[in-house]
Amino acid sequence: EAQVTQNPRYLITVTGKKLTVTCSQNMNHEYMSWYRQDPGLGLRQIYYSMNVEVTDKGDVPEGYKVSRKEKRNFPLILESPSPNQTSLYFCASSLRGLENSPLHFGNGTRLTVT
Amino acid sequence: TQLLEQSPQFLSIQEGENLTVYCNSSSVFSSLQWYRQEPGEGPVLLVTVVTGGEVKKLKRLTFQFGDARKDSSLHITAAQPGDTGLYLCAGRLNTGNQFYFGTGTSLTVIP
Repeated sequence: EAQVTQNPRYLITVTGKKLTVTCSQNMNHEYMSWYRQDPGLGLRQIYYSMNVEVTDKGDVPEGYKVSRKEKRNFPLILESPSPNQTSLYFCASSLRGLENSPLHFGNGTRLTVT
Repeated sequence: TQLLEQSPQFLSIQEGENLTVYCNSSSVFSSLQWYRQEPGEGPVLLVTVVTGGEVKKLKRLTFQFGDARKDSSLHITAAQPGDTGLYLCAGRLNTGNQFYFGTGTSLTVIP
């Protein structure tokens, strides 16, 4: 089944403790992206990747890191999480970063930083 | 400030009523997409509009892209409880590869 898989679905952590949220897609998509979703703000792009070894900042990249060493994986790293990073995170992929390529989303990771 | 503003933010209507959701920007987009998101899941694409003035229909849903490609609307005819969800518009500017999402419209259709 074609899908985007994120793990974990829920994560509670403390300020400053490094964490990684994994994202994997099995559709051979070139484009992958991370978003955070907060009430009243819709989805805001954190980072995106047009292809392997190519990553770019989105609207809200501060406090996050990403890597794209393989086509299928695009992990999101929080080196020193803070409470303002408490949010619902979505990974998405598309065949290419073109206007007619639909984004396929994972089911989300709900992160709480205390 | 969000690049794409949606209105209304919340909408609660009775089954069978019609409704329109708006997605507005001061920027020109090369295309706009509409997604629907249900609780506990990621957004799912409904439609992509590419040409200014374009109208697309998907059963009871009608999508329109503004002539100037700065805005879009989603009209639902005879809403059903299954239409309940969060509706998001999203688009890409003429330059760059970022997808910008709207602020979202949460729709509840009461049986």
